[in-house]
Amino acid sequence: GAVVSQHPSWVICKSGTSVKIECRSLDFQATTMFWYRQFPKQSLMLMATSNEGSKATYEQGVEKDKFLINHASLTLSTLTVTSAHPEDSSFYICSGSGANYEQYFGPGTRLTVT
Amino acid sequence: AQKITQTQPGMFVQEKEAVTLDCTYDTSDPSYGLFWYKQPSSGEMIFLIYQGSYDQQNATEGRYSLNFQKARKSANLVISASQLGDSAMYFCAMREGGSGNTGKLIFGQGTTLQVKP
Repeated sequence: GAVVSQHPSWVICKSGTSVKIECRSLDFQATTMFWYRQFPKQSLMLMATSNEGSKATYEQGVEKDKFLINHASLTLSTLTVTSAHPEDSSFYICSGSGANYEQYFGPGTRLTVT
Repeated sequence: AQKITQTQPGMFVQEKEAVTLDCTYDTSDPSYGLFWYKQPSSGEMIFLIYQGSYDQQNATEGRYSLNFQKARKSANLVISASQLGDSAMYFCAMREGGSGNTGKLIFGQGTTLQVKP
């Protein structure tokens, strides 16, 4: 299957700071990328869908000004958590969808806000 | 309304036995796809098996098979000959629309499977 990487794999930041998470499709062009959030022992919750070169579509209840998503190229999407607070601590997973419309997931980023 | 329902929060199975993880779905779209993913404690999402709504036969992939009952809107995952490494969280997911749709996946609540030695 195709490979999606995420960086960093884990990050600890102080409350009030911003943190950027990168999602890269390594061997395919991801025309669409998805960002999910997962709390312990819970399901994946879709945060937003981004298409290359256009604005992301956010799910209901997700603050677009807090979770900034950029999909500048067919291989890179970034999620920036602005002014992070402890309640933003979570596991963030991205996935990329290419020409065959299958979704390939990244390994996830564990964010801890202190 | 919940579109994907997994009613078993946790399951136990003895090593080498088979286990069925339940999944029911709700959609009015005639074209959809159903997926099962495995998520071990490391957090990565591992694709297991896919069933398209128009597929005539139940999908199989090695020890994994999908018991697709369209009229009942169920897509249960059957794992045969369970192994200790099968212990993980399992998610059922649905994508609405045809194969040309880059639509989002809707996930069920997940089932935690523990394989006993």
